[in-house]
Amino acid sequence: DSGVTQTPKHLITATGQRVTLRCSPRSGDLSVYWYQQSLDQGLQFLIQYYNGEERAKGNILERFSAQQFPDLHSELNLSSLELGDSALYFCASSVATGFGYGYTFGSGTRLTVV
Amino acid sequence: AQTVTQSQPEMSVQEAETVTLSCTYDTSESDYYLFWYKQPPSRQMILVIRQEAYKQQNATENRFSVNFQKAAKSFSLKISDSQLGDAAMYFCAYPKCNNNDMRFGAGTRLTVKP
Repeated sequence: DSGVTQTPKHLITATGQRVTLRCSPRSGDLSVYWYQQSLDQGLQFLIQYYNGEERAKGNILERFSAQQFPDLHSELNLSSLELGDSALYFCASSVATGFGYGYTFGSGTRLTVV
Repeated sequence: AQTVTQSQPEMSVQEAETVTLSCTYDTSESDYYLFWYKQPPSRQMILVIRQEAYKQQNATENRFSVNFQKAAKSFSLKISDSQLGDAAMYFCAYPKCNNNDMRFGAGTRLTVKP
């Protein structure tokens, strides 16, 4: 157990629907990162939050949004889902934003859009 | 642009032998960290080893070591005494300034033959 908890582990939904992925960071970590990994692809950075504030944004679609709550857990909202959104979505956390803090990853949420 | 390149999509090694996975990166920064992550079939992302750019000494973690060539912007991972459990995708990663966006290479799939 890495200490980063992601729920649900699997999600199957239809095109056009909206889903919410949840992440609880490792105890003491203030930064949360979301990544998308499509089949046999590398990891694409979506967005980062630090202590409740958005810090960096990557290739995140306008249909996607995220937030980090006062208790530091984070949610990634995916709407108007398309078949191409099927992927493994990872949450990672680190103690701070700054050099040298490697990420601790959750086990991911596998999203299948049918 | 800051990119990470893994030129070997697949590698194979005999059990108990040594294998080296290559990674090059592009950066204009002088102080930074580099990471290798392992993704076994479970899809969990696991930190294998990290290297601090200002340290000349190559990092070592048990059977895993790196060959860091700062001038050449090369960061290869050497796995000694390969074990069946080492079979996985290996990703080289470089965090952008302030660790806001970890950039991952496309990955190298390592197969370990008994």
